[in-house]
Amino acid sequence: AQKITQTQPGMFVQEKEAVTLDCTYDTSDQSYGLFWYKQPSSGEMIFLIYQGSYDEQNATEGRYSLNFQKARKSANLVISASQLGDSAMYFCAMREGPMDSNYQLIWGAGTKLIIKP
Amino acid sequence: EAEVAQSPRYKITEKSQAVAFWCDPISGHATLYWYRQILGQGPELLVQFQDESVVDDSQLPKDRFSAERLKGVDSTLKIQPAELGDSAMYLCASSLSPTGELFFGEGSRLTVL
Repeated sequence: AQKITQTQPGMFVQEKEAVTLDCTYDTSDQSYGLFWYKQPSSGEMIFLIYQGSYDEQNATEGRYSLNFQKARKSANLVISASQLGDSAMYFCAMREGPMDSNYQLIWGAGTKLIIKP
Repeated sequence: EAEVAQSPRYKITEKSQAVAFWCDPISGHATLYWYRQILGQGPELLVQFQDESVVDDSQLPKDRFSAERLKGVDSTLKIQPAELGDSAMYLCASSLSPTGELFFGEGSRLTVL
């Protein structure tokens, strides 16, 4: 079974609009973390935002926020006021186990976001 | 600009040839990862190093792939012989420790003809 599911292969969004990228996850661990990365055409994976399973508040980083719904096992990325430079692939990833343990990231298949001018 | 250096950025080779990728992590980062990313998919971990030791290479196809980090700094990933299905982006990442944040390089894109 897929541990990380990103159901949107691609999205077109008008510049300046907000966009939500979906991510659902599957784990039996109580301690885990969820990441969002951006991958532009240059190839580099750029870290955007992190949410720990015990974090009570939704994570925010500038225009990025994570809509964490633990009971539904979803961790959607919200980008406010989208910009042309936001066009990229976006990946959701999960680490299982406590923060102070060795971990490996489990990756979703990604969503290709294109911002229209 | 990524601080994890990778080369070459692009490599085109014919099947059955040998190919090698190099990664120089951020200075002081003890943990180094090699990922393979097939087009349209998320990255897949190939090998994880802690200093010069392999921590996890369970997903590395050892019949044709090898990885080393002899002095615990830079690392080389080799494929011999290359097959058509090896066409992918090869990403290197590093972190201060196995529990730390990952920093990625820009990747090496391999095309096998």
